[in-house]
Order: sequence, then C-alpha cells, then structure tokens
Amino acid sequence: AQSVSQHNHHVILSEAASLELGCNYSYGGTVNLFWYVQYPGQHLQLLLKYFSGDPLVKGIKGFEAEFIKSKFSFNLRKPSVQWSDTAEYFCAVNANDYKLSFGAGTTVTVRA
Amino acid sequence: NAGVTQTPKFRVLKTGQSMTLLCAQDMNHEYMYWYRQDPGMGLRLIHYSVGEGTTAKGEVPDGYNVSRLKKQNFLLGLESAAPSQTSVYFCASWGGTSLEQYFGPGTRLTVT
Repeated sequence: AQSVSQHNHHVILSEAASLELGCNYSYGGTVNLFWYVQYPGQHLQLLLKYFSGDPLVKGIKGFEAEFIKSKFSFNLRKPSVQWSDTAEYFCAVNANDYKLSFGAGTTVTVRA
Repeated sequence: NAGVTQTPKFRVLKTGQSMTLLCAQDMNHEYMYWYRQDPGMGLRLIHYSVGEGTTAKGEVPDGYNVSRLKKQNFLLGLESAAPSQTSVYFCASWGGTSLEQYFGPGTRLTVT
C-alpha cells in the first residue's frame, strides 16, 4: 500500500509570506494526487488535483502544486498567504484504485 | 443538492454503548467511505463500499461495522464503544470519474 509523508506538522507565518508544504509518496506506479484543505470546524474541501499532463497544477484561492515524478513529490505552494488561509492541509494519493491514502496533515497558522 | 450529509454532528457515549452514524449522499455515487481523523494521523480509512450491498475493510476496521443497504446511504456502527474510538468521523463519496472524493461535515464522537 502506498504511504504519504507530509514534512511539516505545523507552519506559522505572517500574512503576505510565501508558503510551501512538502508531500512525498511511496508508490512507484501511476498515481493521482490531491491537496485538500480543512478550515477550522469544517469538512475537507479539494484545493487541487493532478491526474496527468502539465505537472504544475493550479487550484482554488491562488494555490498551486508541482508534481515531480522523479522525486515522488507533490508540493503545495502559495506566493502570498492571507489570514484566511489558516487551516489544516492534507496531501492524498490515489494509485488507480478507488481509495485515497492521506498524509498526516500540516497545520498552517497565518498571523495577521 | 446537499452533497454528503452526516448525522449526528456530535455524540457522547459511555464505554460499552453502541451507536450508528448515518451518511447520505444525493449524487448517485457508487463508492462511499468512512474515515476517522485523529490529531497527527491524518484521515484513516475504516471501511468502504463499492456499490449497494457491498462493504470492505479499510486500514482500521476493528471495532466497527458498516452496511450499505441503499445506494445513497452508508451506515457506520460501533457495537461496544471504547475510549480509543473517540475521534472525528468523516464520510465521503466518489462517483468514479473525476476521482475527487466529496466529504461530509463530520461527526465528533467522544467515548468516556
């Protein structure tokens, strides 16, 4: 079974700072990749997804992620964060079956 | 179109009590999932279903049972609750095309 690692447990930054969250997975075959966000007290929402094609994927709210196949990575980025980006972020991997494997999550706190 | 709904939203149980969590989706999705979310552990798959009348074990199935008698509903049962089952439970569904899973709002369960 595939595993998903998120490098940072908790990230604290100021508004307008840039954000990068790391995600690595262990599966060697074809994968589909996702980033989900969970705002405080809410359910998971999809930020962006990668299935094929351009490895640089743009999502909602100014987020983007880059798939680097050789590094088994799918890092999430945002050039300038806002206070409203305070949330927990989850990387997830699907290995062409109908299940998702999630990373442990990264809590992002943005200070106003 | 309500998406994925869960009842109840909150519940407190005493050790040994039983309860059933209900998940309903109105998107005609074949696949449905139950996850638990614990701090620092991300989302872990408890059980899932690939269609009406089918169920299968996920990563952490012990202590839980599920049923999918109707396509739109997926029930998660705890026969004899234990404090280790204190968690937030999320239901999700997937239609099989976009590969994006849609999540419900969650049920916060505390077992004392």
